[in-house]
Amino acid sequence: EAQVTQNPRYLITVTGKKLTVTCSQNMNHEYMSWYRQDPGLGLRQIYYSMNVEVTDKGDVPEGYKVSRKEKRNFPLILESPSPNQTSLYFCASISSQGAGQETQYFGPGTRLLVL
Amino acid sequence: AQSVTQPDIHITVSEGASLELRCNYSYGATPYLFWYVQSPGQGLQLLLKYFSGDTLVQGIKGFEAEFKRSQSSFNLRKPSVHWSDAAEYFCAVLGMEYGNKLVFGAGTILRVKS
Repeated sequence: EAQVTQNPRYLITVTGKKLTVTCSQNMNHEYMSWYRQDPGLGLRQIYYSMNVEVTDKGDVPEGYKVSRKEKRNFPLILESPSPNQTSLYFCASISSQGAGQETQYFGPGTRLLVL
Repeated sequence: AQSVTQPDIHITVSEGASLELRCNYSYGATPYLFWYVQSPGQGLQLLLKYFSGDTLVQGIKGFEAEFKRSQSSFNLRKPSVHWSDAAEYFCAVLGMEYGNKLVFGAGTILRVKS
């Protein structure tokens, strides 16, 4: 079954304690992305990756890092989490670049609370 | 830069009534448009998408959407709403020249009265 998985699904942490949210896809997609969802703001892109070792900032990258060492995995790293990073996070992968039938497949979400 | 506006934050309809959720986009080229639904505590599910061709797009769960270039709109419709349709709905536009970024509207929360 084609899917995007995220772990953990729920996380409570304290300010300053480094954490990593993992994301993995089994569809051999080149393009992956991280979003955060906040009430009244919809989803906003944090970082994206167009291929292995190719990453770039989205709209709200401050306080986050990513890596793309292999095609299937795209972890989101919070080096020093702060309360304003409390949010619902979604990982997504997309089938291809360029004109065509691109569709973004979303993971189930990770709900993060930073105290 | 592309943007998406969903003018209605909340909408309440009676079960069995028709539904229309509004979406307006701003984008320089031909847009790729999507509607997603998110039930409480759940992830995002794709309802339908528009890339080109027929401007009336059919989706899952009985939803449809119509692309109107002259109005920069992509409104979602359903002829008869069911209580299980209560959820939050997001319209999104895909910007190919912006790193395949999906830009989302703020969402519309649908409540269904029995």
